[in-house]
Amino acid sequence: SAVISQKPSRDICQRGTSLTIQCQVDSQVTMMFWYRQQPGQSLTLIATANQGSEATYESGFVIDKFPISRPNLTFSTLTVSNMSPEDSSIYLCSVELAGVNTGELFFGEGSRLTVL
Amino acid sequence: GQQVMQIPQYQHVQEGEDFTTYCNSSTTLSNIQWYKQRPGGHPVFLIQLVKSGEVKKQKRLTFQFGEAKKNSSLHITATQTTDVGTYFCAGGNAGKSTFGDGTTLTVKP
Repeated sequence: SAVISQKPSRDICQRGTSLTIQCQVDSQVTMMFWYRQQPGQSLTLIATANQGSEATYESGFVIDKFPISRPNLTFSTLTVSNMSPEDSSIYLCSVELAGVNTGELFFGEGSRLTVL
Repeated sequence: GQQVMQIPQYQHVQEGEDFTTYCNSSTTLSNIQWYKQRPGGHPVFLIQLVKSGEVKKQKRLTFQFGEAKKNSSLHITATQTTDVGTYFCAGGNAGKSTFGDGTTLTVKP
């Protein structure tokens, strides 16, 4: 199992500003991912956070809008830049644990972002 | 890109009735995972299926992976109020998981 701490848990932001979400894991992980989940919708993968190198972004997501850092194995940040109301969503950090071969993704509690 | 479709979108059942959600992928999968998300919560892993035709059970839950590894189902026998939530399948390929749209289950006591 893993404990994933995500901060902030929620925030209300003004249009045009940026917000950085932090994800800290208490276990060794192999993969870290960032997902977006709009209310009542499915989870959409934004990017894979790679340690010490640029994140791998999915179609429709770009580094300028969603810069990601992963300075070590257990910590990552996602920034939502130049926010608009369309960015209002829940952002979830997810990890695969080292040494666990079940395919399980562990999720943080999520960061609920509202953009006015 | 890979698409994973899930039906039905919603299911309302009386407590004690059975429930099934179906998942279909546009491409052959390496594996499929199932998650449950309670209202206001985050997704929690239930199981992963890897082999063609695989069937796994967890108490009242039965999971199946199709022979062609493109579809899967989750069946709950005799639902309870604690089963409420949204059930997602996630198709695994090339190290990434693509989530289906989910089936939201409500159970009337």
